[in-house]
Amino acid sequence: DAGVTQSPTHLIKTRGQQVTLRCSPKSGHDTVSWYQQALGQGPQFIFQYYEEEERQRGNFPDRFSGHQFPNYSSELNVNALLLGDSALYLCASSLRGMNTEAFFGQGTRLTVV
Amino acid sequence: GQNIDQPTEMTATEGAIVQINCTYQTSGFNGLFWYQQHAGEAPTFLSYNVLDGLEEKGRFSSFLSRSKGYSYLLLKELQMKDSASYLCAGLNQAGTALIFGKGTTLSVSS
Repeated sequence: DAGVTQSPTHLIKTRGQQVTLRCSPKSGHDTVSWYQQALGQGPQFIFQYYEEEERQRGNFPDRFSGHQFPNYSSELNVNALLLGDSALYLCASSLRGMNTEAFFGQGTRLTVV
Repeated sequence: GQNIDQPTEMTATEGAIVQINCTYQTSGFNGLFWYQQHAGEAPTFLSYNVLDGLEEKGRFSSFLSRSKGYSYLLLKELQMKDSASYLCAGLNQAGTALIFGKGTTLSVSS
């Protein structure tokens, strides 16, 4: 039973570029939430996708966008990268839009130079 | 607001007991989570309290008082592998988002 998988594990981008991160939820889960974790901080909620729609969004600019596919996998896109976007991006999967049993992936470490 | 506060760092020795406190503003949360996160790894679920009281699970226990906006994680019989960051997180009312504190880095020494 595969857990939450994220790709890539590490990524280096230049300021102004665009990046796409991917997440496959745990088997049987249909909801994906994305979090940004800066060094030394707790994860911050970016948004949640359920039934292929963005259901809730945290305090992040429109440069952050996402998508959920019919197989429940999800992408996080960040445009016009800033140095401050350097962080660990975590994906959490759960069931039916609820986070009472959220499982996290290993994350994608994004470095913007 | 939904601020969550927890100490930045704690130290303890092997075999000891440590209590990590977490306080939050009392409105807006639908349960309180504790996660463990080793450096460079994903957070792993430890506990979820939705009602007041103590939940015990092996060496780890978690307590919640909703009226006081207070929770703690109790770790007994500490082991070196317990050295990690411990994250307190509230679940928003809709159940759609976890609001995390900054985490408490616990260092266990021999």
